[in-house]
Amino acid sequence: QKEVEQDPGPLSVPEGAIVSLNCTYSNSAFQYFMWYRQYSRKGPELLMYTYSSGNKEDGRFTAQVDKSSKYISLFIRDSQPSDSATYLCAMRAETQKLVFGQGTRLTINP
Amino acid sequence: NAGVTQTPKFRILKIGQSMTLQCTQDMNHNYMYWYRQDPGMGLKLIYYSVGAGITDKGEVPNGYNVSRSTTEDFPLRLELAAPSQTSVYFCASRRPGTGTDTQYFGPGTRLTVL
Repeated sequence: QKEVEQDPGPLSVPEGAIVSLNCTYSNSAFQYFMWYRQYSRKGPELLMYTYSSGNKEDGRFTAQVDKSSKYISLFIRDSQPSDSATYLCAMRAETQKLVFGQGTRLTINP
Repeated sequence: NAGVTQTPKFRILKIGQSMTLQCTQDMNHNYMYWYRQDPGMGLKLIYYSVGAGITDKGEVPNGYNVSRSTTEDFPLRLELAAPSQTSVYFCASRRPGTGTDTQYFGPGTRLTVL
């Protein structure tokens, strides 16, 4: 079983839709949870960071962590074509090693 | 600041050849990382370093070597290249204690081994 599972998609939605991206994990020691966005042929960039459980909101983006279910989510409201990218979840315990999900390729259609 | 720079951008190697992927950051970050990303996959950690002179293995270190003689540079060495090492390689850096886990990634090196 992989430590982090993420549906690779691809996911295609119309502009303005609410997008939900999810990851599950198996290591209960993970405490730091991140979402990275990666545009085509570019390096990933940090989008959201959450420590432990709870919600975090930043503009149109909301990250949720449910440690009891070992499940994290990223919601994108009022999605825009510029949101089209691959979204990678990542997490770590107290070590420096990040573990990434496979990435979900998202396309927002105008 | 240029951030994290990687050279070369592209490279084709023949089986058995060797090469060094260069990574430099100008943000005075202590932590540096090397990842590989295979098509449709997430990133897998190859090696990382918490400071000059200190390196440690990640998830997939076989076939690679690293060194960290300065804070700025973290080269990745491939010896005896194999087709399984065809991938996109990303270098990243992070400053500890900043309150977030922001890793700053370079633009990547696309390597093909034939």
